[in-house]
Formats: sequence, C-alpha cells, structure tokens
Amino acid sequence: DAGVTQSPTHLIKTRGQQVTLRCSPISGHKSVSWYQQVLGQGPQFIFQYYEKEERGRGNFPDRFSARQFPNYSSELNVNALLLGDSALYLCASSGDRERYEQYFGPGTRLTVT
Amino acid sequence: AQSVAQPEDQVNVAEGNPLTVKCTYSVSGNPYLFWYVQYPNRGLQFLLKYITGDNLVKGSYGFEAEFNKSQTSFHLKKPSALVSDSALYFCAASGFQKLVFGTGTRLLVSP
Repeated sequence: DAGVTQSPTHLIKTRGQQVTLRCSPISGHKSVSWYQQVLGQGPQFIFQYYEKEERGRGNFPDRFSARQFPNYSSELNVNALLLGDSALYLCASSGDRERYEQYFGPGTRLTVT
Repeated sequence: AQSVAQPEDQVNVAEGNPLTVKCTYSVSGNPYLFWYVQYPNRGLQFLLKYITGDNLVKGSYGFEAEFNKSQTSFHLKKPSALVSDSALYFCAASGFQKLVFGTGTRLLVSP
C-alpha cells in the first residue's frame, strides 16, 4: 500500500508570493494534519481536517489555509510568503481505528527568497 | 497544555553499545506518547507508541521505550546500537487533535 504522498518535493518562492502544497493520505484514512518543521526544531501543528471539516488549528496566521477534498486529499495554502515560512511542511494521515497514530509523508521543502 | 521536552540535543554512542534518548512530558489526563525517527530529507517514521498497558513498549527496528508515570518520562532505548540508527529522533504527545513534539535529539552512532 502506498504511504502518505506529498507534492511537490521542493519549492522555491519569492516573498509575497502564494504557494499550494498537496497531500494524499493513506488509502482509507479520513484525517489529514499539516505540520511545519523549521530547521532545527520539532514539527509544529498547523491544521487538522477530518471528513472535509477543519477539526483543529494551530497558532499560525490567517495567511495559512487548508482544505480537504471528497477523496480525503488535502491542500495547504500560504499567502503573502515571508522568509520565515521557509520550512519542511509535513502532512500526516490517520485512520478511524487508531486515531492517535499519525503516518507522515516525506514533506515538501519550501524555500522563500 | 501538553508539552514535551527532550533535554539532549545530541547523543553519541558507539556501535554495539546500548543507547537511551530521553523524553519527559507534561500532559493533562492519560498520556498518549510516541517516538518518531527522521532521516535526512525524509519525513517522520513511526517507531512506537504508548497508549495504555505495559510500561515497556516494543517498536520497530529493535527500539523500545519505557513509560514512567511518576517521573513523567518516556525514554527511548535500544540494547545494541547500529551505525544506521544515526538520525534525528522526536518524542511526541497526543494533544487534542494534534501531536505536540519535542525539539528532537540527534543520535550519532560511531563505528
């Protein structure tokens, strides 16, 4: 079975631009979460979606938004990029039977110049 | 609010020796605790979890973790380290609808 997939792998953007990151969860998983991992730090929670509804939001500005589609894939959007948004963005999915166990994708490395 | 602390930025151990990576937590209610490993340019790989039951939890690749409620600790252990175990290790606690991570500990296993 395929694990969590994310695209693109790497991305370079300029300050002020907008970016969209994509995530496909493990087949059968209905919950998708997004995390930001800045170099040298642990991942920080951004959003969780379950059955297309936002179930949790971390301490991030409104420039960050996300959505989940009927096939449970998800997009993370970041507007008006800042240099500080440079990070590895991780997507994780979890199933109903083991809701506390999250499986992570390889991440998208975003560099803002 | 949940929090996780990993007091060591780096742990150095010789191949074949036992290793311990430390983690302490602060959570309300029953703790759900996890260990993840991250290799360069890779996402997080699940190693093991504690939900309830035995205090010694066995996980992937020969790793295990000991849950100690009185000390609020969840240390990661392995009896015999391999060079290939060198990576970044994260301890995490399950908060409301999210994981709260520690800052990570870099494990370096020397041949």
